Amino acid sequence: GESVGLHLPTLSVQEGDNSIINCAYSNSASDYFIWYKQESGKGPQFIIDIRSNMDKRQGQRVTVLLNKTVKHLSLQIAATQPGDSAVYFCAECCAGGGADGLTFGKGTHLIIQP
Amino acid sequence: DAMVIQNPRYQVTQFGKPVTLSCSQTLNHNVMYWYQQKSSQAPKLLFHYYDKDFNNEADTPDNFQSRRPNTSFCFLDIRSPGLGDAAMYLCATSRDGSAGEKLFFGSGTQLSVL
Repeated sequence: GESVGLHLPTLSVQEGDNSIINCAYSNSASDYFIWYKQESGKGPQFIIDIRSNMDKRQGQRVTVLLNKTVKHLSLQIAATQPGDSAVYFCAECCAGGGADGLTFGKGTHLIIQP
Repeated sequence: DAMVIQNPRYQVTQFGKPVTLSCSQTLNHNVMYWYQQKSSQAPKLLFHYYDKDFNNEADTPDNFQSRRPNTSFCFLDIRSPGLGDAAMYLCATSRDGSAGEKLFFGSGTQLSVL
């Protein structure tokens, strides 16, 4: 079936380095993509989103890239900090309409090493 | 601050003993969602309310029910919890469920089944 998945379950980077978290999606009808950050024992926290009519969007220290040709989404975090340690989920929406909620990928655990 | 609040933070129940998890929101959003998240997995949508209209996911077990008595509150009832129902339960809201809307999550209730 249609799914959203991540390539790597764990990513370890040195503090201060840049990190890239990847996500593959298979539903070509999806038109909205979100990255969430989830710290241990907490709910997902919105980081950044992108619509299918864009291929890049920047936030504070974060950039999301969308490649619709290969159905690939990535999250770039610049100058990583200890507080960036968390599980990062990509999510897609809304081939079936927005109120159906999001379909989440499996998550990547980002570990920031001192 | 406007928030999605889940109570309790941790809930322990016995095998087969009904349990209710609570969610409230001060965002005045029309749509409320319940997600189940098992350890090291992505959140999985159980059901959502669009205003008073209940929308069940096809693979949500009958053991899981929900109530939304008013805009602000939504409850998740597990009629006969099994060991496999131990998970983090996340409540989320969106303004009107339009395609491309962000979901706002609560901090979750961690359910343990003994």
